[in-house]
Amino acid sequence: DADVTQTPRNRITKTGKRIMLECSQTKGHDRMYWYRQDPGLGLRLIYYSFDVKDINKGEISDGYSVSRQAQAKFSLSLESAIPNQTALYFCATGGTGGTGELFFGEGSRLTVL
Amino acid sequence: GNSVTQMEGPVTLSEEAFLTINCTYTATGYPSLFWYVQYPGEGLQLLLKATKADDKGSNKGFEATYRKETTSFHLEKGSVQVSDSAVYFCALRRTNAGKSTFGDGTTLTVKP
Repeated sequence: DADVTQTPRNRITKTGKRIMLECSQTKGHDRMYWYRQDPGLGLRLIYYSFDVKDINKGEISDGYSVSRQAQAKFSLSLESAIPNQTALYFCATGGTGGTGELFFGEGSRLTVL
Repeated sequence: GNSVTQMEGPVTLSEEAFLTINCTYTATGYPSLFWYVQYPGEGLQLLLKATKADDKGSNKGFEATYRKETTSFHLEKGSVQVSDSAVYFCALRRTNAGKSTFGDGTTLTVKP
């Protein structure tokens, strides 16, 4: 089983719908992240969390919200999806020590029609 | 703020060719530097890293040297294979910082 698991892997939805992307990890890391990947724009940070009680906005948090339900679970919600939120979304985890390597899930491809 | 600039792609090479993907960075202090690779349909995974000046990271035939004087971390491989076709991301993370900064990614295609 993968260390960082994202569900769903693919989702097609309509404008205005609420969508939740879920992430769970078995690495025991405190730090979890949500990134968005768009062609030619690399990875952009949406939200991050350093522990269950800590939530921080990233560079593109507008239109998104998150919930850290447990150390191992970090969900991303789109309250009212719009077409320009069509993208590939990645969850990542990282430990508090070491050199800061991130561990990524396989991605959730979201299409908003 | 921190930033990472990567060589623009896409890059197309023939098998066994030499590869260089340039990466330069702007950061205060002494960040750790990383190369991540994303194979088709997969998430990113760490390829190699370096934590201080003059360190060389290496893995799977790829190498990159942390050059503080030129603020660079160029990725090289002497002989690429078709299986190296992927998107490569350069990234940095300042010591004890919680966030990483990524470049825009460089798509490499290796043809037989």
